[in-house]
Amino acid sequence: QVQLVQSGPEVKKPGASVKISCKTSGYTFSGYYLHWVRQVPGQGLEYMGWANPHRDATKSAQQFQDRVTMTWDTSMSTAYMEVSRLTSDDTAVYFCAKDSSWFFFDFWGQGTMVTVSS
Amino acid sequence: DIQMTQSPSSVSASVGATVTITCRASQGIDRWLGWYQQKPGKAPKLLIYAASTLQVGVPSRFSGSGSETKFTLNISGLQPEDSATYYCQQANTFPYTFGQGTKLEIK
Repeated sequence: QVQLVQSGPEVKKPGASVKISCKTSGYTFSGYYLHWVRQVPGQGLEYMGWANPHRDATKSAQQFQDRVTMTWDTSMSTAYMEVSRLTSDDTAVYFCAKDSSWFFFDFWGQGTMVTVSS
Repeated sequence: DIQMTQSPSSVSASVGATVTITCRASQGIDRWLGWYQQKPGKAPKLLIYAASTLQVGVPSRFSGSGSETKFTLNISGLQPEDSATYYCQQANTFPYTFGQGTKLEIK
């Protein structure tokens, strides 16, 4: 069965970076886009971008373009997202999600809480 | 970016009732619209994609319709476990934006 398991909660200081992992199983990792979505506590879902291991490509939403780096290790079926220059506004739960083939998200990780606090 | 606007923001209904949630896109998105259910502390769950196609394993009391700029999610025969927040998401144009959510309370 398809599973996405994310790394544990993180506490970071403003200005630091955080790198979240998303270990996948149950499907061909390189065959599907892998998306990242975040959710500020008590608020809605915010789309961040995608990684495409097969095409060796990534694309970030404009508001994250200069701070987000998406990478992967195909041999470990694991995707990573690093967010740099953190501020308190980045305090959120970060989700990875598998693409369904049409840019809908059919399987999700459990979420990683990132807290940015001095 | 395409803006997705849901209404209402919250709704309360009784077990067995039917509710309708509306999602409007700021520009036409054909039928590239998905609906998700999210319960507190959990990841979202895909219910419907391509406006009206039910994801495998989702109960048939969930249904979706619409095209271009107006879409609806109908939940009939409400069950207590349907209490959740529902989000629409457009898959037509990057970035794949979400609506702000509709919180459904079951009385």
